Amino acid sequence: DIQMTQSPSSLSASVGDRITITCRASESIGTYLNWYQQKPGKAPNLLIHAASNLQNGVPSRFGGSGSGTDFTLTISSLQPEDFATYSCQQSYSIPYTFGQGTKLDIK
Amino acid sequence: QVQLQESGPGVVKPSETLSLTCTVSGGSMRSYYWSWFRQSPGMGLEWIGHIYYTGGATYNPSLKSRVTISLGTSRTHFSLRLTSVTAADTALYYCARGPMSNWGTFDPWGQGTLVIVSS
Repeated sequence: DIQMTQSPSSLSASVGDRITITCRASESIGTYLNWYQQKPGKAPNLLIHAASNLQNGVPSRFGGSGSGTDFTLTISSLQPEDFATYSCQQSYSIPYTFGQGTKLDIK
Repeated sequence: QVQLQESGPGVVKPSETLSLTCTVSGGSMRSYYWSWFRQSPGMGLEWIGHIYYTGGATYNPSLKSRVTISLGTSRTHFSLRLTSVTAADTALYYCARGPMSNWGTFDPWGQGTLVIVSS
């Protein structure tokens, strides 16, 4: 199985901050990397597919980059609604696997 | 738009079978894959398996011996059966549409249902 490792596992930040979350794959996955946002009690929400492509309706302050084994999710200016848990997922091979999640909370 | 809703018992006894249903509304199941996931406390999401709308299923090798995913006869829902459960199967279980073609994404998701394995 391809292991996905996110860092940091938790992050405290303020509204208006720029933050970056890193996701590393245990082997090369090209750009078969997707990002999800999870809020407590809510369904996971797909933010970015293919490493850097924003889903329709996702604000432009979200951005993704990377290829091969190293990927990043950036939020350019945090808004109150962005405090959530973010997870990466590889779709290069079965079984599909996820990072352990990065919990972003308010400082 | 398509919405998914998980349902099933919240508590299952050890060694018994966990059974959940995901009801799909607002759209057709046709031409898509449909998946089950779970998330144990403090852990990342785990893909359990998926089924195509015609009925072919693929499972995570780590659970394959205990898992069955099936379609409802009316093609408005699909189900998960997990046999011989233990405390390690306690988790929040989600269903989702996908993997979607090209990039293997999952969207949308249900809100999840908590299953506790306990006597």
